[in-house]
Amino acid sequence: DPKIIQKPKYLVAVTGSEKILICEQYLGHNAMYWYRQSAKKPLEFMFSYSYQKLMDNQTASSRFQPQSSKKNHLDLQITALKPDDSATYFCASSQGPGASAETLYFGSGTRLTVL
Amino acid sequence: QQQVRQSPQSLTVWEGGTTVLTCSYEDSTFNYFPWYQQFPGEGPALLISILSVSDKKEDGRFTTFFNKREKKLSLHIIDSQPGDSATYFCAPQGGRALIFGTGTTVSVSP
Repeated sequence: DPKIIQKPKYLVAVTGSEKILICEQYLGHNAMYWYRQSAKKPLEFMFSYSYQKLMDNQTASSRFQPQSSKKNHLDLQITALKPDDSATYFCASSQGPGASAETLYFGSGTRLTVL
Repeated sequence: QQQVRQSPQSLTVWEGGTTVLTCSYEDSTFNYFPWYQQFPGEGPALLISILSVSDKKEDGRFTTFFNKREKKLSLHIIDSQPGDSATYFCAPQGGRALIFGTGTTVSVSP
């Protein structure tokens, strides 16, 4: 059974709309992350959370907002969607607290297409 | 973000052959260097990792070498198998985040 669940697997949205990408991990980890992968760029770090607190934010745009309602949840809200936001978004987790030399475990991703 | 470059971008190797991937980085503060393997439609998964205090780490058919002076790593896959066909990323740790390289797509032909 997958230990990191991302929903939905595929998502199509229109420009200007808002979507929420869901991520739940059942590994008992304390740190969670979001990465983005597109044809133009390698896997790009977006956010890291540790014990439900934001630790790092490498996303310049405020249109991307992580939301952590529970320790094992880290959703990603994206507002005012643009075609350039089209990418596969990966959620990951690690034992925590997000220190050095930790193994990241990735979900299978949500592929977002913005028309 | 810090630049992590990999070469080649893609390669094809015959089954049973040896695959060599290289990675170079700029930030001298990196001290943890994992390699991740990604199959189509899946997220990356840790393959092998090395700390900057070592120059070689071996795990079965996979060996990674680290050259601190040149800021380079390499991943060697011996006896390559069709199941090794995937994209490989080096992902040195910068702060709390892994900084993924540009990736190398490997195809192993039977």
